[in-house]
Amino acid sequence: SAVISQKPSRDICQRGTSLTIQCQVDSQVTMMFWYRQQPGQSLTLIATANQGSEATYESGFVIDKFPISRPNLTFSTLTVSNMSPEDSSIYLCSATGQGATDTQYFGPGTRLTVL
Amino acid sequence: KQEVTQIPAALSVPEGENLVLNCSFTDSAIYNLQWFRQDPGKGLTSLLLIQSSQREQTSGRLNASLDKSSGRSTLYIAASQPGDSATYLCAVGDGGSQGNLIFGKGTKLSVKP
Repeated sequence: SAVISQKPSRDICQRGTSLTIQCQVDSQVTMMFWYRQQPGQSLTLIATANQGSEATYESGFVIDKFPISRPNLTFSTLTVSNMSPEDSSIYLCSATGQGATDTQYFGPGTRLTVL
Repeated sequence: KQEVTQIPAALSVPEGENLVLNCSFTDSAIYNLQWFRQDPGKGLTSLLLIQSSQREQTSGRLNASLDKSSGRSTLYIAASQPGDSATYLCAVGDGGSQGNLIFGKGTKLSVKP
C-alpha cells in the first residue's frame, strides 16, 4: 500500500489568486492523479500527472487553469490558477503502482474555499 | 460514456444489521471496480478491489461482488457497527487515462447504536 500526504489540508483564498497543492507519496509509484470533488458531488479526474513530462488532462480541464508538475516518482503539485468561487472544492491526489489494474490510494484531500 | 450510479443515496440502520449497498455502471468494459469509504473531512480509504475477471472479494465483515454482464456490484456489510458510518463510494476503472476511476455519488451510511 501507499501512504499519501497533501499540503495544505485546507485554505481560504481570494478571487484571482493561485494556490499550489503538494502531494507526497511514501514510496515510488507509477501513476499519480489529481481529482476534484465539488460540494455534494463525487470525484472527477482532473489529470494524470506524468513524471518528467506534461500532464494528461481530462475533457473540461486545461493546463493554464490547473498546471501540474511531477518532478519525480513520489511527488506532484497541482496549482489552481486565477481562482473563482466555482473552484471551491476538495482536491485529492491519488497514486497507483500498476496503472489500470492496481488499487488506487488517495491522500486526505485539500479543502479549498474561494471568496 | 461510463456512468456509475449508487443506490440508495443514504441509508440509516440500527447497529448489528446486515446491509447491502448497490452500484451499477453503464459500460461493462471495465478493468476493475473499487469500493472506498470517505469519512467527513478525510480522504478516501480503499476497502476492496475487484478485477474484471473476479466475481467477489472479501475483507473481514465486507464482501463485494461484481457482475460485469449486468453492470452491477454490491457491497455487503455484515453485523454493522457505528464505526461503519461513512459515505461509501463505488468506482470503476475503465482503462482510460491508464487508471482513471469513474466514481458514483456514494451512499451515506449511518449506523445507529
